[in-house]
Amino acid sequence: GENVEQHPSTLSVQEGDSAVIKCTYSDSASNYFPWYKQELGKGPQLIIDIRSNVGEKKDQRIAVTLNKTAKHFSLHITETQPEDSAVYFCAAREGYSTLTFGKGTMLLVSP
Amino acid sequence: DTAVSQTPKYLVTQMGNDKSIKCEQNLGHDTMYWYKQDSKKFLKIMFSYNNKELIINETVPNRFSPKSPDKAHLNLHINSLELGDSAVYFCASSPKPDTGLYGYTFGSGTRLTVV
Repeated sequence: GENVEQHPSTLSVQEGDSAVIKCTYSDSASNYFPWYKQELGKGPQLIIDIRSNVGEKKDQRIAVTLNKTAKHFSLHITETQPEDSAVYFCAAREGYSTLTFGKGTMLLVSP
Repeated sequence: DTAVSQTPKYLVTQMGNDKSIKCEQNLGHDTMYWYKQDSKKFLKIMFSYNNKELIINETVPNRFSPKSPDKAHLNLHINSLELGDSAVYFCASSPKPDTGLYGYTFGSGTRLTVV
């Protein structure tokens, strides 16, 4: 089955700095890579995703890059704000399979 | 509001009891899931279910059973609760992959505490 590794497990940045979270996956057949944000007491919410036929996708201050050859993908958050503080999960999926999640990164943005 | 809703939000119960968590989605999705999130925040798949197939994670004890009265509901029954069952349980749903849409929508979670 798919195995997704996520680093770092915790990340502390100052407001305004950039944050990068990295994930690797094991199944070369995986073709869908979402990122979820989980705020305290809430369920994970999809913030951005990327398909295997695309190398990069951007949505305002967040972007995701995918390197299929190396089987890794990354989340980039620019100009971080305190409200970006949350746990972020990467995940991978092939077609009809279930999503496999990384173990999460706790991002803390200090004012 | 279109959403995945689960009840109750909090559940405190004694060891040995039997309890249920309900989940409903009004998104018209075809597949529903139950995930368990432990104290380290790891999201572990327990079940995935559509109206044709139930896929069970082999590590899930048979004290846990999903019940689906219809396509929009997937309830979780837990028998003989144990201390180690304490966790947050999330319901989620997704459309058919052949729609080209692969993302999951999660409910807000049920925090189960077994005492």
